[in-house]
Formats: sequence, C-alpha cells, structure tokens
Amino acid sequence: DQQVKQNSPSLSVQEGRISILNCDYTNSMFDYFLWYKKYPAEGPTFLISISSIKDKNEDGRFTVFLNKSAKHLSLHIVPSQPGDSAVYFCAASRTGNQFYFGTGTSLTVIP
Amino acid sequence: GAVVSQHPSRVICKSGTSVKIECRSLDFQATTMFWYRQFPKQSLMLMATSNEGSKATYEQGVEKDKFLINHASLTLSTLTVTSAHPEDSSFYICSAEQLTGLVGDTQYFGPGTRLTVL
Repeated sequence: DQQVKQNSPSLSVQEGRISILNCDYTNSMFDYFLWYKKYPAEGPTFLISISSIKDKNEDGRFTVFLNKSAKHLSLHIVPSQPGDSAVYFCAASRTGNQFYFGTGTSLTVIP
Repeated sequence: GAVVSQHPSRVICKSGTSVKIECRSLDFQATTMFWYRQFPKQSLMLMATSNEGSKATYEQGVEKDKFLINHASLTLSTLTVTSAHPEDSSFYICSAEQLTGLVGDTQYFGPGTRLTVL
C-alpha cells in the first residue's frame, strides 16, 4: 500500500506562474519530508526538506508547506522556469528510518 | 497501487563480508530497475540501471565488481555489496519502472536498506 501518494501524474504551467505540486501521506509517524527533482536518465537530486516541527520551509523559488492535520505537503515553485521541467518526487520518513516515495509528478513549464 | 519492496530493511555486517539486498516489484513487471545510494545531504546518487536478462549499466565512478547487480526476473533485482567496508555504510534505495504508455512512465521507489559496516 502506498504510504505516500502524488495523485497528479502530470502538471503544465506557464513560465513565470506558480507551480504547485501536491503530496499526501497516510502515516502520522512520519516526521521528515523531502522533495526531489529528477531529469531523464539521471538520479533524483535533493530540492528541499521539512521536518514535522515546521509548517513551512523556503529556499529561493522553492517553498514546501506541511499540513500535519491533513497529512498533506505541497511544493510551490515561483516563478516557474522552463528548466524546472522535470519529474518531482516527494518522500517521507521517520527520521533515520526507511523512506517512502511518491510516484512522481511530471512538471512541464511552457515558455 | 504498485509497490516495491526491499529486503532487508536494515543490515549490520563486519568489514570484509558481502551483503545482498533484494528489490522486488510486488504487483507489476519491471523491465528496468534502478539502484541508488543516499548520501548524508539527502541526494540520491544513481549507481546503476538494471535491465532484466542483461548486464547492468553502471554510472561513472561506481565499481561494478564491488556492487554486483543481478536482475534475474521481471520482479526481482539484487544488489550485492562485496567485501564491504565502513565507507560503504549508507542507505541503498531501488526503484522500478512501470511502462504505462501514459505521460511519463511511472517510477516506484523501494523503502531503502540501511547498511552499516562495522
């Protein structure tokens, strides 16, 4: 059973607009969440993380929001750029333990 | 939904021994599986791409004689860390690709195996 879900397999956004990628999880024991970006034929690269003691973490154009009561996190990219086109994975874990990944959302930023 | 499992989830071994990690796709056939190593800054490093019935393709800098990969069936790939040393201690994560024909073939990740070499 998927403990981390990304229900949108794809998303298209105009350049300069905001991209919002969503992720839901089922295990309330998860306390650490990450977002990865993956280009074709490459391994995922770490983007941004958030621990359960926070509800927001910002790094440049990337902001991750965590809603623990809803077991939901989202990644906001603003402004979106064509180079952001990639597959984005969210992952969750109990710190130091196994990681559970979502199935990815393919983002296309249209110039 | 599709699930990928890894076994064992944790392993502690002595330096010089070999450790085998299994990656299984539980409800779909995966012609391609990927092996990653997770480094402390949380980046996943692609180690190799494993195709069923053929030799794995290793990324530059990954020793194929040290990290043996066998993709024996459409649902099972194994990674054997031979003559493990403390610097091999890490999280090893596999993923399996399901060819759906939809926008972007879907990749499912296993939960990872934490290897500790004493």
